[in-house]
Amino acid sequence: KNQVEQSPQSLIILEGKNCTLQCNYTVSPFSNLRWYKQDTGRGPVSLTIMTFSENTKSNGRYTATLDADTKQSSLHITASQLSDSASYICVVSAVGGSYIPTFGRGTSLIVHP
Amino acid sequence: EADIYQTPRYLVIGTGKKITLECSQTMGHDKMYWYQQDPGMELHLIHYSYGVNSTEKGDLSSESTVSRIRTEHFPLTLESARPSHTSQYLCASSGVLTEAFFGQGTRLTVV
Repeated sequence: KNQVEQSPQSLIILEGKNCTLQCNYTVSPFSNLRWYKQDTGRGPVSLTIMTFSENTKSNGRYTATLDADTKQSSLHITASQLSDSASYICVVSAVGGSYIPTFGRGTSLIVHP
Repeated sequence: EADIYQTPRYLVIGTGKKITLECSQTMGHDKMYWYQQDPGMELHLIHYSYGVNSTEKGDLSSESTVSRIRTEHFPLTLESARPSHTSQYLCASSGVLTEAFFGQGTRLTVV
């Protein structure tokens, strides 16, 4: 069964600090992996999308990495801001037009001043 | 900015009422999805569609129904709302090889 596991479940950090969120998946055959940010009460918004051949991709202070061999991805947030407080969701899709993406449970990040 | 819209954003309704949550997208996407999400919890897929006249049930059993008569429109209906249906409902769409774009969600409260 295709699964996406995220860790930690929740994380509290101080403003200005860096943090790294993890995503492990068993989805196969792999097509792409996306990281979404979901603010409370809002719909998820895409941060990055990576395909099999991409190892790293940045979007401002967000940097995602992908190791397709070990089926692991990470999202690194640099110099965190209060607005980074949100849920971060890892979503993995398999090859095939009929495939429905598999969602992780998300990591809840709280940034304190 | 994603062109996918949900209405209403908030809805408070009495038990037993019939409700329809609207979802429209202007991106021409074939795939559309409905997710249910309780506060602080993960998204659960309840319905999806590959295109016009295609509807499928998702991983989470739901008493709601959906229809896909037009590509851009994917409404979700509850024939008789109950307090257990209180939740946030998120609609999304995706094209071939593209990411899923989400609407802002409808927060439903059944009293």
